[in-house]
Amino acid sequence: SYEVTQPPSVSVSPGQTASITCSGDKLGDKYACWYQQKPGRSPVLVIYQDTKRPSGIPERFSGSNSGNTATLTISGTQPTDEADYYCQAWDSSTACVVFGGGTTLTVL
Amino acid sequence: QLQLQESGPGLVKPSETLSLTCTVSGGSISSSDYYWGWIRQPPGKGLEWIGSLEWIGRMYYSGSTYYNPSLKSRVTVSVDTSKNQFFLKLSSVTAADTALYYCARHHSSSSGNNWFDPWGQGALVTVSS
Repeated sequence: SYEVTQPPSVSVSPGQTASITCSGDKLGDKYACWYQQKPGRSPVLVIYQDTKRPSGIPERFSGSNSGNTATLTISGTQPTDEADYYCQAWDSSTACVVFGGGTTLTVL
Repeated sequence: QLQLQESGPGLVKPSETLSLTCTVSGGSISSSDYYWGWIRQPPGKGLEWIGSLEWIGRMYYSGSTYYNPSLKSRVTVSVDTSKNQFFLKLSSVTAADTALYYCARHHSSSSGNNWFDPWGQGALVTVSS
């Protein structure tokens, strides 16, 4: 079955750029999206279709997807961006949704 | 603004069937071509897709449901458009099925482009005797 892998944790200083990766075999040939989940809250979509931001998501969130890696980039990271982030893709061969294991972003 | 709300028993005994309802408000479940999905999250762990139901052109086909292979033998997702609700049934539950269960609108295209938005607030289900 298809799998995507994320680093368990990423740390960044306030105001700096955070990059969270999601790796999978030929992931760049699929579409990736990203969710932000704060403690005790439901996941919120922050990037879909590799690079698009839903309405209401700050411009500092951006995404890319090429080769075997999709990347969520947060520019000018704010303390409020501290959360768990999950990538998600679709495996067409098995008609399955696939989630990454999640990355905890710490802003310190 | 579309909103989803999960409901159902918070405690289920081992070997029994977990049943949850997702009530959709702010829009009709049958007004557009969407999937409607269930995702779960065990305490302190990551997200796991359970299954999704596809609504096509004002009709629902019994074959238009997609399940996580690891759960497929135990899962049923169904819909009642008259109540604007869709449902999850998970049979033969064990403690490993203890989780926060979310429902969400599932955007999906034939190109494989898909995502979940919005999500419900989640319903905690504990499997214990």
